[in-house]
Amino acid sequence: DGGITQSPKYLFRKEGQNVTLSCEQNLNHDAMYWYRQDPGQGLRLIYYSQIVNDFQKGDIAEGYSVSREKKESFPLTVTSAQKNPTAFYLCASSTSGLAGLEQYFGPGTRLTVT
Amino acid sequence: GENVEQHPSTLSVQEGDSAVIKCTYSDSASNYFPWYKQELGKRPQLIIDIRSNVGEKKDQRIAVTLNKTAKHFSLHITETQPEDSAVYFCAASMTGGGNKLTFGTGTQLKVEL
Repeated sequence: DGGITQSPKYLFRKEGQNVTLSCEQNLNHDAMYWYRQDPGQGLRLIYYSQIVNDFQKGDIAEGYSVSREKKESFPLTVTSAQKNPTAFYLCASSTSGLAGLEQYFGPGTRLTVT
Repeated sequence: GENVEQHPSTLSVQEGDSAVIKCTYSDSASNYFPWYKQELGKRPQLIIDIRSNVGEKKDQRIAVTLNKTAKHFSLHITETQPEDSAVYFCAASMTGGGNKLTFGTGTQLKVEL
């Protein structure tokens, strides 16, 4: 299960607290992605980054923030502005360009906010 | 933006039977269509993909077909086995624009003995 890692596997927080989820890859991939998965739904894109120091909003970016200071790392912060933060969060990476369509996923972080 | 619809949401088959999952997409510019398998609590893993210049692709018991005119693609699993039980997601993407994947809502496949 190497290549792309996420930590922690389970995370518990109180409402009103910001929390940061870690995502690291050693695949030398340029592009990285954050998805949210809820029961009975597909994966929804939160943010993505094609290159260091650049990132774009996905379909459900409200209440989330990211940074991409290093190629290997793409942390996601779930802020108190996110109304329903409890979910399974998946990070993915891919190469860029025409060969970069296949995305490799990390093991996920299950966040529970009470 | 792209919209991907997936059917059925649940599918139950007997071991050895075939299973078919269907997806439609809305953006005719999409040119890459992967299928992911996700076991309970695990990460999604790519099982097969197809690009828009190909109509069909096969890998052992798994095949994918693509109809660009109708904008739909399907996953076919033959000779199903209990280990095929999982949630399967289709997705669509377009080269460029971040290579973003838009996912279907998933199909829970159960292979019964």
